[in-house]
Amino acid sequence: QKEVEQNSGPLSVPEGAIASLNCTYSDRGSQSFFWYRQYSGKSPELIMSIYSNGDKEDGRFTAQLNKASQYVSLLIRDSQPSDSATYLCAVYMEYGNKLVFGAGTILRVKS
Amino acid sequence: DAGVTQSPTHLIKTRGQQVTLRCSPKSGHDTVSWYQQALGQGPQFIFQYYEEEERQRGNFPDRFSGHQFPNYSSELNVNALLLGDSALYLCASSLFTGRSPLHFGNGTRLTVT
Repeated sequence: QKEVEQNSGPLSVPEGAIASLNCTYSDRGSQSFFWYRQYSGKSPELIMSIYSNGDKEDGRFTAQLNKASQYVSLLIRDSQPSDSATYLCAVYMEYGNKLVFGAGTILRVKS
Repeated sequence: DAGVTQSPTHLIKTRGQQVTLRCSPKSGHDTVSWYQQALGQGPQFIFQYYEEEERQRGNFPDRFSGHQFPNYSSELNVNALLLGDSALYLCASSLFTGRSPLHFGNGTRLTVT
């Protein structure tokens, strides 16, 4: 079992729609979770961090965390073509004291 | 406020050679982590440095080594380069706490021929 799993996609959504990105993780003791956006050829950029169960909203982005199900998600409302990128889920693994990334989900927003 | 800076931007090496990559952390950060990202994959953790010591290490061979200096900057060294070492090498800085997010530099694109 991979430590952090994401659907590789691509996930295609029309402009203005809601994009839903999902991630599961293996370490039940994990307490810190992050979403990064990575444009082609660029380095990852932090979008959201979440530490408690429930929802956390920041502009058009909402991160959702369910520790019991070991599941974290990112919703992007009113998707724009500029949101087209790879979205990386990252989970801080308590047992290894390291931040582990998923393989990323490619998002394509079509105008 | 300067962010994370990495040098060089691009590098081409031959199999068997050695390479050194450099990183300066964001102002105020004391921890540097290095990641390798192959095309189409997520970043893979190489190691983390804090207080000039390697604190954590991922599943990478001893050919990969590093160093952190008193000013918190860091180097990644790779010996006996293999074709499979071709990747984007990312340096990230943070505060030494598991709840601190990583801030990445622009990366060094290494090509081994």
